Amino acid sequence: DQQVKQNSPSLSVQEGRISILNCDYTNSMFDYFLWYKKYPAEGPTFLISISSIKDKNEDGRFTVFLNKSAKHLSLHIVPSQPGDSAVYFCAAINRGSTLGRLYFGRGTQLTVWP
Amino acid sequence: GAGVSQSPRYKVAKRGQDVALRCDPISGHVSLFWYQQALGQGPEFLTYFQNEAQLDKSGLPSDRFFAERPEGSVSTLKIQRTQQEDSAVYLCASSTLQGGYQPQHFGDGTRLSIL
Repeated sequence: DQQVKQNSPSLSVQEGRISILNCDYTNSMFDYFLWYKKYPAEGPTFLISISSIKDKNEDGRFTVFLNKSAKHLSLHIVPSQPGDSAVYFCAAINRGSTLGRLYFGRGTQLTVWP
Repeated sequence: GAGVSQSPRYKVAKRGQDVALRCDPISGHVSLFWYQQALGQGPEFLTYFQNEAQLDKSGLPSDRFFAERPEGSVSTLKIQRTQQEDSAVYLCASSTLQGGYQPQHFGDGTRLSIL
C-alpha cells in the first residue's frame, strides 16, 4: 500500500520557467516531509524538508508547500535550470514511531529543456 | 571520503548464490538504514541500525535477508539463495541522530542483478 504518492511520473519544463512537483500522502501520522533529488547511477541527495507545523519552507530557488488538510505537498523550483533535470522523490516520516524510517513516493522525472 | 560509501557498485550473481553488500557510513553517524529500490519505484525500507543495535528489521522481505553492523560503523547486507526478484538497487543511508529530524545521506547504491 503506497502511503506516499507521486502521480506524475514525468514533467517537462522550459528553462527559466517554474517547475511544480506534486506529492500526496495517506497516513495522517506523517509529520515531516522531505524532497530528494536523484541523478542516474547516484544515490538520492537531500534537497529540502518541511515540518508539519509549517506550511511553507524556502531555500533559494526551491520552495516546499504543505497542505495538511489535503494531505498534499508540492515542490516549486523557480527559475528552472537544465541542471535540475533529475528524478525527484517525495518522502515522509512519522517521527514518533518509526525511528526515522522514510516512506518514499515513486518519483517524478523532471526534464528542463533550454 | 566524506560521504556514504557502498561496495560493490555492481554485482551479478546466479540464482541461488549468496551475496554480501557493504556500506561504510559517514564517520560518527549513529543511524544507518538499508533500502531496496526496484526499477521504476521509490526506495523501500529494509532495516535500521542505531549504532550496533538493529532496532527495526520489519522491511526485510524474507529470512534470506540478513543485515549486521557489529561495531557500529560498517554494515553488511547479506542475501542468501538469491532469487530473480532480489534484483534491485540496494541503498544505504546514514544520519547523525535517530533520523527523525536529520536528513539521511545516501550512498550511490549497489545494483544487484540475479541471472
